Formats: sequence, C-alpha cells, structure tokens
Amino acid sequence: ETGVTQTPRHLVMGMTNKKSLKCEQHLGHNAMYWYKQSAKKPLELMFVYSLEERVENNSVPSRFSPECPNSSHLFLHLHTLQPEDSALYLCASSQEYGSTANNSPLHFGNGTRLTVT
Amino acid sequence: QKEVEQNSGPLSVPEGAIASLNCTYSDRGSQSFFWYRQYSGKSPELIMFIYSNGDKEDGRFTAQLNKASQYVSLLIRDSQPSDSATYLCAVSITGGGNKLTFGTGTQLKVEL
Repeated sequence: ETGVTQTPRHLVMGMTNKKSLKCEQHLGHNAMYWYKQSAKKPLELMFVYSLEERVENNSVPSRFSPECPNSSHLFLHLHTLQPEDSALYLCASSQEYGSTANNSPLHFGNGTRLTVT
Repeated sequence: QKEVEQNSGPLSVPEGAIASLNCTYSDRGSQSFFWYRQYSGKSPELIMFIYSNGDKEDGRFTAQLNKASQYVSLLIRDSQPSDSATYLCAVSITGGGNKLTFGTGTQLKVEL
C-alpha cells in the first residue's frame, strides 16, 4: 500500500459543481505535487509545494486551486470545470524539492479518476 | 517536438525473454533519469533511476544511459507476465531537482 493516500478514488461532477481532491502522505516528505494524467498524454505537472510553499504553478487554469495546509496534506479545489478536465489526478510526494533533490524520487498516490459531465 | 519520447507500443515479448524499452530526450542538460512502472488503474511506481553514463543493474532490471546520444533504456530480463504494464520514462530537465518531464509511456505485454 502506498504511503500517499488520495480521496476520493472516483469523482463525477457537473460543470457548475465545486469539489475538492484530498491527498495525504505518511512518509515525512517535504514536497508534494499534483499531476494530471490524460489518455495518450504524458503526465503533466500542475503544482508543487515545498515546505508548504507553492514553488511551481505550470500555467494551470484558475478553476484549479491548490491548498497545502501542512507538509502532510495537499488539496486540489475544483470549480466550474470543463469536460476536457476529465482525467486521472495524481498526487505525489518527495523528500526534497529543488536543485539538490536528485536523490529524491517521487512517490505517487493511487489517483482520483475525475469525470466532468 | 516532444521533450521525452517513447514508443507507445504495445511491445509484446514471450515469457522469459528480455524486454527492451527505449526513451530519448531533447534537453542535453538533463541530469537525472527515471523509469516508473504503471499497472492499469494504478499509480506509477519507481523502478530505477540513473544519473551516470553506462549501466545500472537492480535484480532483473538494467537501466542504460547514453548522454551523448540522449538515450536511456530499461532492460527487463526473464520477463514475467506480472511485468505487463506501462513503463514511463521521466527526465529531470536542466536545473536539477525532481521537476520531472514524463514520456507518454510504453505498454509492455509479456505473453505466456
């Protein structure tokens, strides 16, 4: 069982709904990530938090809003999504983030399968 | 141009054979290279990482890196049906750390 837990596993929402994805890591890591995985596309990095501070925001639409209240928890708040936002959303953590973190591989959660109708 | 390129497959090999998975990357300053395995419906899990030119072996897995050719590969010896999965190549682009760029993955099928 992974040390990174994501809930819910599946989520179906309408375009006018507001929902949140939750991620919790039990590994004592300092960095947490949100990735989007769509069919036939590479994993896309969305956000990175290091020591609870957002350090990467890869041109993600504002309808996705991350929150990192502490180093163990990460949320992705969703509102007014589009059908093309349907994808697998993966949370990951690593011990460190940054130029000295080459020995700090990512540990992924099982993901939330999101369907926007 | 894709930054990290993999053949999507499926790559089919018979049980017991060597499976060879390939990955090319575009940024010559890339420093770290990772192979993740992803079973259908599951999350990616790290198989191997390599930083230096040459081979790195771990059990049935061998990662090979050739920075001059901008090429990294994963060999799986004595392939088993349980190795059937999608293998993702990931590269840490110039600037170091673990801001990874992933390929689309190669689907491997090990047949009985």
